[in-house]
Amino acid sequence: GENVEQHPSTLSVQEGDSAVIKCTYSDSASNYFPWYKQELGKRPQLIIDIRSNVGEKKDQRIAVTLNKTAKHFSLHITETQPEDSAVYFCAATLANNLFFGTGTRLTVIP
Amino acid sequence: SQTIHQWPATLVQPVGSPLSLECTVEGTSNPNLYWYRQAAGRGLQLLFYSVGIGQISSEVPQNLSASRPQDRQFILSSKKLLLSDSGFYLCAWSSQRGAWETQYFGPGTRLLVL
Repeated sequence: GENVEQHPSTLSVQEGDSAVIKCTYSDSASNYFPWYKQELGKRPQLIIDIRSNVGEKKDQRIAVTLNKTAKHFSLHITETQPEDSAVYFCAATLANNLFFGTGTRLTVIP
Repeated sequence: SQTIHQWPATLVQPVGSPLSLECTVEGTSNPNLYWYRQAAGRGLQLLFYSVGIGQISSEVPQNLSASRPQDRQFILSSKKLLLSDSGFYLCAWSSQRGAWETQYFGPGTRLLVL
């Protein structure tokens, strides 16, 4: 199956700074990479996704980049706000299933 | 629009008791359905997935089982709960058409086994 690694496990940034979370995957057949945000006690919510035929995708303050050759993808959050504080999960899809990273706990310090 | 429901929202059960968690999806037909478990402060572990009625694939051997008696209903069960079964159980669905890979999660069931 697919093996997804995610770094860092925790990340603290000052409000207004940028945050970057990085993931790698093992199976080159994976072709879809979503990112989920999970607030404390809540369900994971899809925030952005990217397919393997695209190198970068942006949605307001959130962007995702994908390097298929190196098999890694990253989440970039600019101008962070306290409400961005949450756990973020990356994932890669293979054969009908999503394989999740272990999560990054982002804390935005006001 | 599609919605996904789970119940109960919270559950406290003694060790050795049975378990039944239910998940239903509205607004779509023939979805892929998934059960995940999330231990406190941890990641998402895929337990079961189903591509159709009566079709269940198990990802992790354990004392849990899943069933799909109807197209939009997915049930997670156990005959005898263990302490290690405590966690946050999430049901998810994805479409079998179009962007089939995107999974959407239900609100979850928080299970505490004592």
